[in-house]
Amino acid sequence: DVVMTQSPLSLSVSLGQPTSLSCRSSQSLLYSDGNTYLSWFHQRPGQSPRRLIYRVSNRDSGVPDRFSGSGSGTDFTLTISGVEAEDLGFYYCMQGTHWPWTFGQGTKVEIK
Amino acid sequence: QVQLQESGPGLVKPSETLSLICTVSGYSMSTDSYWSWIRQPPGKGLEWIAYMHYGGSSNFNPSLKSRATISLDTSKNQFSLKLTSVTAADTAVYYCAREWGRTVDYWGQGALVTVSS
Repeated sequence: DVVMTQSPLSLSVSLGQPTSLSCRSSQSLLYSDGNTYLSWFHQRPGQSPRRLIYRVSNRDSGVPDRFSGSGSGTDFTLTISGVEAEDLGFYYCMQGTHWPWTFGQGTKVEIK
Repeated sequence: QVQLQESGPGLVKPSETLSLICTVSGYSMSTDSYWSWIRQPPGKGLEWIAYMHYGGSSNFNPSLKSRATISLDTSKNQFSLKLTSVTAADTAVYYCAREWGRTVDYWGQGALVTVSS
């Protein structure tokens, strides 16, 4: 299985400050159709995950533009340009290139 | 707006079969679509269990070692998961989801299933 490794596992961020979350895959996520199937999800305590980003950098409808995704191959980043209180929770990356699709272990974001 | 809702027993005995149903609203499962089950053990990360195409093809995570089956009932707009020979390691929140373009765009709210005697 493709192992998705996220870092850091947790971070504490002041409101309004930028932050970046890293996700690395054990194999390239470039698929034969030319797409890279890397998604980011946000999960608040007691809630189901919500997708923020798909195919590396495509933001979902309704997702604030302070969230952006970048990367290629095996190295990916989710950036929050200015953290807001509602951004607390866990962030998971997920690859849909190699079956079984796999998630990272998550990064816990806390607000200082 | 697509909505999914899991239902089923919250407690299952070891060695028995876990059964869950997902009811979909706001989207017809008879159209080209994929439907998935994903689980999350308490305090842990997410694991994709399986997905099924509306046409009947499916794919299962090898880690489940053939214990899982998934089926669709498009007449009821529902799909289901059965997991046999459960152990405590199968205790988790089980999510049903719509898979779209090798990712998930809609999730159910999740159903906690505890395996215990």
